[in-house]
Amino acid sequence: EIVLTQSPGTLSLSPGEGATLSCRASQSVSSSYLAWYQQKLGQPPRLLIYGASSRATGIPDRFSGSGSGTDFSLNISRVEPADFAVYYCQHYGTSPPYTFGQGTKLEIK
Amino acid sequence: EVQLLESGGGLVQPWGSLRLSCTASGFSFSTNAMSWVRQAPGKGLEWVSAISGSGGSTYYADSVKGRFTISRDNFKNTLFLQMNSVSVEDTAVYYCAKDGSYWDFDYWGQGTLVTVSS
Repeated sequence: EIVLTQSPGTLSLSPGEGATLSCRASQSVSSSYLAWYQQKLGQPPRLLIYGASSRATGIPDRFSGSGSGTDFSLNISRVEPADFAVYYCQHYGTSPPYTFGQGTKLEIK
Repeated sequence: EVQLLESGGGLVQPWGSLRLSCTASGFSFSTNAMSWVRQAPGKGLEWVSAISGSGGSTYYADSVKGRFTISRDNFKNTLFLQMNSVSVEDTAVYYCAKDGSYWDFDYWGQGTLVTVSS
């Protein structure tokens, strides 16, 4: 079973700063199967990035994803107030089919 | 517009049963795999179960295997999760999610809360 470890657990930033969130897999995975989600309090998750680097429909270009192998990143350039939320990475594999990281909370400094 | 609406959550006693439903609209339901994902209070996301578009293939997390059953009615555009022998560890918001084209979840419902307590 592939385990996804996200870091940091909490990231404190001021609006306008850049953010880099990390997702590390316990073994090499295909970048085609790596996604990122944003979840605000009391809301369901929203797909941000699929295939490690492709933005989902309607996602602003300040969000970008990158990485391969075991190391993946979600970057947010110029964080806006609406971006403060919890972010999860997710992988599609075999058993189990879907795995989530434990999440990174992006909070206002 | 894609819409997913869950229902059926509530308070259930340990070892009891509950059936969740998710009514879908705005897309071709029968050609899309669907999943249930849950989130315990204050915790992260946990995938629970998935079903192929035809309903012929089902998948379960080890934590629910043998207790939960996923099914679908493609004529009524509805997804189900039959939960049996529930425990306090099953307390969570249960989300219905549409499987995307890239092995992700591109649409989510608002969730339904299941509370297991005596």
